[in-house]
Amino acid sequence: AQSVTQPDIHITVSEGASLELRCNYSYGATPYLFWYVQSPGQGLQLLLKYFSGDTLVQGIKGFEAEFKRSQSSFNLRKPSVHWSDAAEYFCAVGERSGTSYGKLTFGQGTILTVHP
Amino acid sequence: GAVVSQHPSRVICKSGTSVKIECRSLDFQATTMFWYRQFPKQSLMLMATSNEGSKATYEQGVEKDKFLINHASLTLSTLTVTSAHPEDSSFYICSAYPGTGSSYEQYFGPGTRLTVT
Repeated sequence: AQSVTQPDIHITVSEGASLELRCNYSYGATPYLFWYVQSPGQGLQLLLKYFSGDTLVQGIKGFEAEFKRSQSSFNLRKPSVHWSDAAEYFCAVGERSGTSYGKLTFGQGTILTVHP
Repeated sequence: GAVVSQHPSRVICKSGTSVKIECRSLDFQATTMFWYRQFPKQSLMLMATSNEGSKATYEQGVEKDKFLINHASLTLSTLTVTSAHPEDSSFYICSAYPGTGSSYEQYFGPGTRLTVT
């Protein structure tokens, strides 16, 4: 069964500092990987996704993520954090086959706090 | 494009009553819709997968008689929580999957906050 681990439950950074959120996955084949952001009481917004090809993926709001097969990781990065980036971030792995196309398994989430 | 709505956004109901939550894809047809449940400060847990015109597939541990899912059209799925109890209080989120051509991306609704008193 597929699984996703986000080791950091809560991260605090200063505005303007760089950010890296960790994500490790377990999946039997090449995964579909996603990063979502959720503001309090809201639904999920897709930041970026990886399906194939270039392992460095660019997303919205200045975020990027790198797929590293050897490490089973898909870490999210941003060079300079803005106060508006404070939210909860979820990494997810998607199934590729059978009748479960699109079925996502989410990590536990990482809450990002940004200090002024 | 690719907007998914949920109605209501918040609902409070008494214990023992039933409540229906609607999930609509506004500008595309969704071959598959997913229902997730999110407890406070926790991740999203998939409850069920529904395909238009067929019975929903429930995840292990989810009571199909309690959480009734209907996907009657390509733009509407409903989740009915029957005989609700306080432990059913949660944030319910749906997502819609357009199928081929969508690069396997699901589009999420804004969520419904259910409180059972």
